[in-house]
Amino acid sequence: EPEVTQTPSHQVTQMGQEVILRCVPISNHLYFYWYRQILGQKVEFLVSFYNNEISEKSEIFDDQFSVERPDGSNFTLKIRSTKLEDSAMYFCASNRGGREQFFGPGTRLTVL
Amino acid sequence: ILNVEQSPQSLHVQEGDSTNFTCSFPSSNFYALHWYRWETAKSPEALFVMTLNGDEKKKGRISATLNTKEGYSYLYIKGSQPEDSATYLCASSYTSGNTGKLIFGQGTTLQVKP
Repeated sequence: EPEVTQTPSHQVTQMGQEVILRCVPISNHLYFYWYRQILGQKVEFLVSFYNNEISEKSEIFDDQFSVERPDGSNFTLKIRSTKLEDSAMYFCASNRGGREQFFGPGTRLTVL
Repeated sequence: ILNVEQSPQSLHVQEGDSTNFTCSFPSSNFYALHWYRWETAKSPEALFVMTLNGDEKKKGRISATLNTKEGYSYLYIKGSQPEDSATYLCASSYTSGNTGKLIFGQGTTLQVKP
């Protein structure tokens, strides 16, 4: 059964460093999302992406964040200069145009 | 600000007990209600997507109901088994904008003791 995959499963970085989180959505899906969950808090929406552009972003998704679909299969989230408060579990999701969203297993980002 | 609330936050039951959780959500411009089952280190697994008022869906021992007028959904597990132990997340989506973004509740963590 097709699934969303994410790499790495755990990333540790120093404050101020750039990180790139990678996702491979399900192949015939058209809509792509990033969410995150800070420990003990709700899963929160970051950004949605369709037709090679951002369709919606949250207040969290400031200039430090960017997304890209560089080669038609990968979908990446870049954080330019990480802060301690960026430590969270980051989930990628995809959707083929219906209501159901399929989630990856997440990347746990730890910023020291 | 759209706010989805789930209760209880956690639940400990014995094997064989039946249990239920609540999800409340804003009903204005409602589009769909999603239930996910999430085990640590795994992908959240979609259980149900519901859209119509009065909808009831069932998958094995798990079922869900939806009331869009008052903005709540119940998830029921009949005869809980240890393998049902997980966090159950509900999320709603809305028609305004309709980029498909989900608004999540805080989850209910279920622990089933053998």
